[in-house]
Amino acid sequence: DQQVKQNSPSLSVQEGRISILNCDYTNSMFDYFLWYKKYPAEGPTFLISISSIKDKNEDGRFTVFLNKSAKHLSLHIVPSQPGDSAVYFCAATTNFGNEKLTFGTGTRLTIIP
Amino acid sequence: DTAVSQTPKYLVTQMGNDKSIKCEQNLGHDTMYWYKQDSKKFLKIMFSYNNKELIINETVPNRFSPKSPDKAHLNLHINSLELGDSAVYFCASSQGWGRGNNNEQFFGPGTRLTVL
Repeated sequence: DQQVKQNSPSLSVQEGRISILNCDYTNSMFDYFLWYKKYPAEGPTFLISISSIKDKNEDGRFTVFLNKSAKHLSLHIVPSQPGDSAVYFCAATTNFGNEKLTFGTGTRLTIIP
Repeated sequence: DTAVSQTPKYLVTQMGNDKSIKCEQNLGHDTMYWYKQDSKKFLKIMFSYNNKELIINETVPNRFSPKSPDKAHLNLHINSLELGDSAVYFCASSQGWGRGNNNEQFFGPGTRLTVL
């Protein structure tokens, strides 16, 4: 039972444009969401998070939007840079902390120079 | 100054063997985790230890046994390896655990296990 879904396995975006990565979840108990970024041969690294009491969180070029009624979140990267090329994982948890993260299968983002 | 390290990075072994993967974190964190990323790229938690105490044990065959000699180490022992155990195994750590803590997880680089 895949509770966190990233339906786009890959995405290509021109450098300087906006990258939008999407994530859907089915478990209504999830109340904290995270995005991780992963380069080849490395472990995932934390990027940005959002709790269910908010609908938006910004950190520099990265913004995460949460639509609880649709059980959907998205990560916006603007402007996209070549170094953003990586696999992005959406994750969710039922606690405010990061205990027992449930991950999506990832979206491979390629930024085209 | 690696935060979370795993050894070995690659492990190729025959079915039926017993192997271990070591994990160490130098962040002073209290909680450590083991994740498995299978061929379909699902990243699933297997175990979590907080202050050397097992707090999460997902439905994992008992051939897998985590061992935490101290807070900085969480090793994964796998007995009687099977073909389906082939995957990338990630260790992670976080400062604390549970509601109210900002418990960002830091991941190691992964260990690619191939069972022949």
